[in-house]
Amino acid sequence: DSGVTQTPKHLITATGQRVTLRCSPRSGDLSVYWYQQSLDQGLQFLIQYYNGEERAKGNILERFSAQQFPDLHSELNLSSLELGDSALYFCASSVGQFAEQYFGPGTRLTVT
Amino acid sequence: TQLLEQSPQFLSIQEGENLTVYCNSSSVFSSLQWYRQEPGEGPVLLVTVVTGGEVKKLKRLTFQFGDARKDSSLHITAAQPGDTGLYLCAGESGGSQGNLIFGKGTKLSVKP
Repeated sequence: DSGVTQTPKHLITATGQRVTLRCSPRSGDLSVYWYQQSLDQGLQFLIQYYNGEERAKGNILERFSAQQFPDLHSELNLSSLELGDSALYFCASSVGQFAEQYFGPGTRLTVT
Repeated sequence: TQLLEQSPQFLSIQEGENLTVYCNSSSVFSSLQWYRQEPGEGPVLLVTVVTGGEVKKLKRLTFQFGDARKDSSLHITAAQPGDTGLYLCAGESGGSQGNLIFGKGTKLSVKP
């Protein structure tokens, strides 16, 4: 158990819908990272927050957004969902901006 | 664009055999991390290497960071069925603000 929690574990929704994925980092960790993992692309970095502020952006679509709240939990919002958005979404956390990252168990999103 | 190439992509061996997996790039990384991921779960951090030429041992696993900090290898001695999983390397460049670039992984199967 990494100490990072993610909910829900599974999510099935239809194209065009919007979903919110939630992540609680390890106690004391200030950085939260979101990744998408698909079979053909592997693990892709989406976005990083540090102590409530956005710090880095990766391959995140405009239909996706995220935020980190004062209690340091984070949410990833995915809208206008397409079939190709079906993937595992992982959250990771670290103590600082550059420290080792610890991953949550992931949310499996299926768009039908 | 920084890329990490992992080889082999798939590896199936018998219990007791030794194996080496490789992680190569044309880019220099400030640190490199190895993760192991089991189906349906998040990656679990195994080790971080930061110094060129560094060798780290974790029981039967030996990790090496190349002198130029562009490549790394993972050697497993006397593999066991419990070593089965997806092995991922991830590099952190100095300017990436903590986000990791992942290789696509080596899927290892150790048969009893």
